[in-house]
Amino acid sequence: DSGVTQTPKHLITATGQRVTLRCSPRSGDLSVYWYQQSLDQGLQFLIQYYNGEERAKGNILERFSAQQFPDLHSELNLSSLELGDSALYFCASRGEGGGDNSPLHFGNGTRLTVT
Amino acid sequence: GNSVTQMEGPVTLSEEAFLTINCTYTATGYPSLFWYVQYPGEGLQLLLKATKADDKGSNKGFEATYRKETTSFHLEKGSVQVSDSAVYFCALSYNQFYFGTGTSLTVIP
Repeated sequence: DSGVTQTPKHLITATGQRVTLRCSPRSGDLSVYWYQQSLDQGLQFLIQYYNGEERAKGNILERFSAQQFPDLHSELNLSSLELGDSALYFCASRGEGGGDNSPLHFGNGTRLTVT
Repeated sequence: GNSVTQMEGPVTLSEEAFLTINCTYTATGYPSLFWYVQYPGEGLQLLLKATKADDKGSNKGFEATYRKETTSFHLEKGSVQVSDSAVYFCALSYNQFYFGTGTSLTVIP
């Protein structure tokens, strides 16, 4: 158990809809990362938050947004969903004490299916 | 820039065979290096790490040595088991995390 909790585990929705994915990081971790994993594109970095502030942005579409709340949990909002958004979405957290030596700790992901 | 290149998969081995999964990296500084494993239906789990040149990371019979001269961090295991079937990701950390594309391993009895 990594200590990172993601909900829901599965989500099925229709094109054009909006969904929210939730992540609770490991206790004490201030950084939260979001990744998208699809069969044909591997693991794609979307966005990182550190203590409530956006720290880095990757290949995140304008239809997607995220935030990190004062209690450090994070939400990833996906809107105007398309079939191609079907994927596994992972959250990871990281303690900053070790700098680059600190690993990412991943949740078990949310599987999103857009029909 | 920073990047990680992994050998293409899928890799299929018989039980008790020797495993090598190649990983090379490009970095603008001195990164930390990681191997992650993803079992079916699960998230990525840290397998091992090395934080400086010539460090050897090891866990569960897997090993990888940080080779600065060849910019490599190849994953090895002397005798694989069916339970090692998974996808393996090489990664580096230098201000940000950079992952390879993953190598799928299937071990057959």
